[in-house]
Amino acid sequence: GAGVSQSPSNKVTEKGKDVELRCDPISGHTALYWYRQSLGQGLEFLIYFQGNSAPDKSGLPSDRFSAERTGGSVSTLTIQRTQQEDSAVYLCASSLWSRAGGEQFFGPGTRLTVL
Amino acid sequence: DAKTTQPTSMDCAEGRAANLPCNHSTISGNEYVYWYRQIHSQGPQYIIHGLKNNETNEMASLIITEDRKSSTLILPHATLRDTAVYYCIVRVEGGGSNYKLTFGKGTLLTVNP
Repeated sequence: GAGVSQSPSNKVTEKGKDVELRCDPISGHTALYWYRQSLGQGLEFLIYFQGNSAPDKSGLPSDRFSAERTGGSVSTLTIQRTQQEDSAVYLCASSLWSRAGGEQFFGPGTRLTVL
Repeated sequence: DAKTTQPTSMDCAEGRAANLPCNHSTISGNEYVYWYRQIHSQGPQYIIHGLKNNETNEMASLIITEDRKSSTLILPHATLRDTAVYYCIVRVEGGGSNYKLTFGKGTLLTVNP
């Protein structure tokens, strides 16, 4: 079956612009996660969705970051007024609710470059 | 989550078995051992996990010592496409905030022709 997909694969934007990153999880996966990974760094957790609700937004770096999920499926991560430090690979992952603790399936990521 | 220790890098000849070790001496009784890998410029990929019994799937085998203080991931016939950073993590499955995956430095496995 299809894996997790993300779009766009690459995004170059100017400082101060808004960007939207999209994630399509594996069908039937109720849990969805956003992470980011800066060059040579580890995973940084951003937000977790269970269905359409986000019980944990603790990893969002600032109020410029927001995310939503609709229909228990597609999720959008929005970054407003982008800054150069937002440059990173943004990764989305999904898992079955019952296995939310460990087996997460990742998408290919969106590489964001803020000039 | 318990801390893990892995070698920084390893080399393996194509077609041979790659054996990647991981120490997790402070693992708790309810913590699973998970392995992920990340090929350059790709997202992390789940490989396998286990609690105390050895596990095998289409990608790899996981051997966990009887005292559970260490484990070995085995790629039986490594290919060039297996070159990646391999991460060993231990975590409780489900519940709480255990969904937050965090990776350490991992082991860079280089498969040579």
